[in-house]
Amino acid sequence: EDQVTQSPEALRLQEGESSSLNCSYTVSGLRGLFWYRQDPGKGPEFLFTLYSAGEEKEKERLKATLTKKESFLHITAPKPEDSATYLCAVQARTSGSARQLTFGSGTQLTVLP
Amino acid sequence: DAMVIQNPRYQVTQFGKPVTLSCSQTLNHNVMYWYQQKSSQAPKLLFHYYDKDFNNEADTPDNFQSRRPNTSFCFLDIRSPGLGDAAMYLCATSRNANEQFFGPGTRLTVL
Repeated sequence: EDQVTQSPEALRLQEGESSSLNCSYTVSGLRGLFWYRQDPGKGPEFLFTLYSAGEEKEKERLKATLTKKESFLHITAPKPEDSATYLCAVQARTSGSARQLTFGSGTQLTVLP
Repeated sequence: DAMVIQNPRYQVTQFGKPVTLSCSQTLNHNVMYWYQQKSSQAPKLLFHYYDKDFNNEADTPDNFQSRRPNTSFCFLDIRSPGLGDAAMYLCATSRNANEQFFGPGTRLTVL
């Protein structure tokens, strides 16, 4: 059974204080790993897809990296508007025709001004 | 802008009273998904349509059903909502099961 574990569950940072969020996964052959941002009361917003170990993607203050067992979402010099829950999800090669996602429970990030 | 739209954003129903949630998309994606998300939990897939093919997750309750009358629209019907069905319901779409794009969600309250 595919599993995704995110840590920490919650993280409070001061504005400008860089940090990383972790997503550990076990999957029967990884097809893709996805990062989403979710604001309270809203649907997840797609951020990145990573397909193979060593791959990196960047968007503004966010950088996602992937190894064979985990992914990191690095946040450089965060701002209060980066406060949100960050969700990680994996897609297995054997996840059926619609390639279902298995989500982690998320990391709730709060950036204080 | 191409998008996924869910209506209503907030739905209040009574215990046992049927309710229908709506999802539409202008992305022309062929796959549509329904997820249930409870507070501080991961989204849980209920079912999906790959084109016209319907796929039900094994642990989706029997009182949850879905309809997809055309490519753009998908509905979630809850025949007899219980208190445990109160949650955020998320619709998502993808092209050929690649990245999924989510709507804003419908918050369901059951009284």
